[in-house]
Amino acid sequence: DQQVKQNSPSLSVQEGRISILNCDYTNSMFDYFLWYKKYPAEGPTFLISISSIKDKNEDGRFTVFLNKSAKHLSLHIVPSQPGDSAVYFCAASEDFGNEKLTFGTGTRLTIIP
Amino acid sequence: DAGITQSPRYKITETGRQVTLMCHQTWSHSYMFWYRQDLGHGLRLIYYSAAADITDKGEVPDGYVVSRSKTENFPLTLESATRSQTSVYFCASSEPSGGPYEQYFGPGTRLTVT
Repeated sequence: DQQVKQNSPSLSVQEGRISILNCDYTNSMFDYFLWYKKYPAEGPTFLISISSIKDKNEDGRFTVFLNKSAKHLSLHIVPSQPGDSAVYFCAASEDFGNEKLTFGTGTRLTIIP
Repeated sequence: DAGITQSPRYKITETGRQVTLMCHQTWSHSYMFWYRQDLGHGLRLIYYSAAADITDKGEVPDGYVVSRSKTENFPLTLESATRSQTSVYFCASSEPSGGPYEQYFGPGTRLTVT
């Protein structure tokens, strides 16, 4: 049972345009969400996070939006750059202090120059 | 080297063999994790540890054994490797700080079971 789902395995976006990556979850106990970025032959690296008490968090070109009622979050990258080409994983955590993360299946983003 | 390292980076083994994947972190983080990455499944948690001598199962623990005698090391052992355990394995660590639950990942070990 996949509790965190990324329904788009891949996404291609023109350089300079906005990239929108989506993530849905089913567990209503999740209260903290993170996005990780992964390049080939490397481990995932943390990108941005959001607490369930917020609906938006912004860090430079990256913004994460959370819609709790729809159990949906999205990552916006604007403007998209070639270095953004990677696999993006969303992840979720239950309860404050619970260090375990549940990851989605990932979306491969390709930025077209 | 500072950070989190995994060894070996690549390993080919035969069905039925025992193989151990090593993970070492220099941050003295309390928590350590083992994940496997498979196409269509993303990252799935195998085992995790909250401190030395404390380990717990994750989502897919069958066929794996872990130990943590020292804070900095968290080896993962496949007691009798099967082809279904062909995967990329990632070790991660984190330190509870009230959030944001960020985990730091190693570079991964690509394991092939023939």
